[in-house]
Amino acid sequence: GAVVSQHPSWVICKSGTSVKIECRSLDFQATTMFWYRQFPKQSLMLMATSNEGSKATYEQGVEKDKFLINHASLTLSTLTVTSAHPEDSSFYICSARMTTGADTQYFGPGTRLTVL
Amino acid sequence: AQSVTQPDIHITVSEGASLELRCNYSYGATPYLFWYVQSPGQGLQLLLKYFSGDTLVQGIKGFEAEFKRSQSSFNLRKPSVHWSDAAEYFCAVGAPQAAGNKLTFGGGTRVLVKP
Repeated sequence: GAVVSQHPSWVICKSGTSVKIECRSLDFQATTMFWYRQFPKQSLMLMATSNEGSKATYEQGVEKDKFLINHASLTLSTLTVTSAHPEDSSFYICSARMTTGADTQYFGPGTRLTVL
Repeated sequence: AQSVTQPDIHITVSEGASLELRCNYSYGATPYLFWYVQSPGQGLQLLLKYFSGDTLVQGIKGFEAEFKRSQSSFNLRKPSVHWSDAAEYFCAVGAPQAAGNKLTFGGGTRVLVKP
């Protein structure tokens, strides 16, 4: 149980285009999902907290207009990287927390974004 | 503010030998503590967690961790390492749900397993 998927697993795009990444909780409902960014050989940095039906809360230094987050249902959150630039290339990982009872985050497999 | 330190960036261990990964945290209240493992190009898998109760926590894949409040530590151990344990290990401290549930990760420890 507690499986989280991400799609796509990798994407290559041209500079200036937008890319959407999906995060789904497959076997549980997730009121809250989290988006992280991980640079090579580094730890995870929280970008934003996404709550179903409300606006995401962004961490300091994360541009909300560049990284659009939508959490339209209890099983799906999306991250859209708008007007992507090479410096946005990174590994993006989402996690989800169960609606009831748990304070544990379950992580997706990640999405490798490369912006040319 | 919460913080996590993993003092060892790399650890090399022989297959069959024991493994201990260090984790020190800073948190204002009773922490929620986690160990995750990440294989190359993959997401994070939860190994074990501590919220309260018995300070020795058993996890998956034969791992265990011990919470020591006096030392602000939550070290991960495995008695006998397998080649498949080669991966990156992250310790994390979390706030409870009422406080936003955010996780703060340590820098990670990369474990290499020699045959």
